[in-house]
Amino acid sequence: GAVVSQHPSRVICKSGTSVKIECRSLDFQATTMFWYRQFPKQSLMLMATSNEGSKATYEQGVEKDKFLINHASLTLSTLTVTSAHPEDSSFYICSARDGGDYYEQYFGPGTRLTVT
Amino acid sequence: AQKVTQAQTEISVVEKEDVTLDCVYETRDTTYYLFWYKQPPSGELVFLIRRNSFDEQNEISGRYSWNFQKSTSSFNFTITASQVVDSAVYFCALPNAGKSTFGDGTTLTVKP
Repeated sequence: GAVVSQHPSRVICKSGTSVKIECRSLDFQATTMFWYRQFPKQSLMLMATSNEGSKATYEQGVEKDKFLINHASLTLSTLTVTSAHPEDSSFYICSARDGGDYYEQYFGPGTRLTVT
Repeated sequence: AQKVTQAQTEISVVEKEDVTLDCVYETRDTTYYLFWYKQPPSGELVFLIRRNSFDEQNEISGRYSWNFQKSTSSFNFTITASQVVDSAVYFCALPNAGKSTFGDGTTLTVKP
């Protein structure tokens, strides 16, 4: 089956630093990847949609200069949280679509970010 | 705009009880899919089921069953003879072009 990995699974960083999260599709080519954020006891909220080789599309209210998304290949998308602050602490989940199924997406295991 | 409503925030049952999790959705699409996911404490989403809007047949998978009613825009999920391992947050989701609109989730606690 389609597998999506994320690295790291957990990261702790200091306020003001940047942190990069990787999302990889391991056994398929992901034409589109999605980044979600989930605060404790809340639902998943879509942050942005990225298509390989083009700029990401951000949802309303998401700061594109703070959350940099790069989808440089069909198997890798990265999310960089720049100048992280404690309020950015959250669970970040990526998902990937292989283009063959308009509705299906495969989720990564998530990355728990803690900013101290 | 798409919307998914899971009105039950938290449900607590005793092991072996049956429990139904409700999901009501809104969409203008004539063709759509609905998904249910389980999110255990580890955080990773576990896919449970995908249902096409043209298929209103109920589905059963072991202790899990799903009731899809287009007339009421509902896609409810029942766990029969619940077990402690069923304790998790359950999400109903409605995808569009791959990206999903999630309900707020229902936290199910099954006590021994």
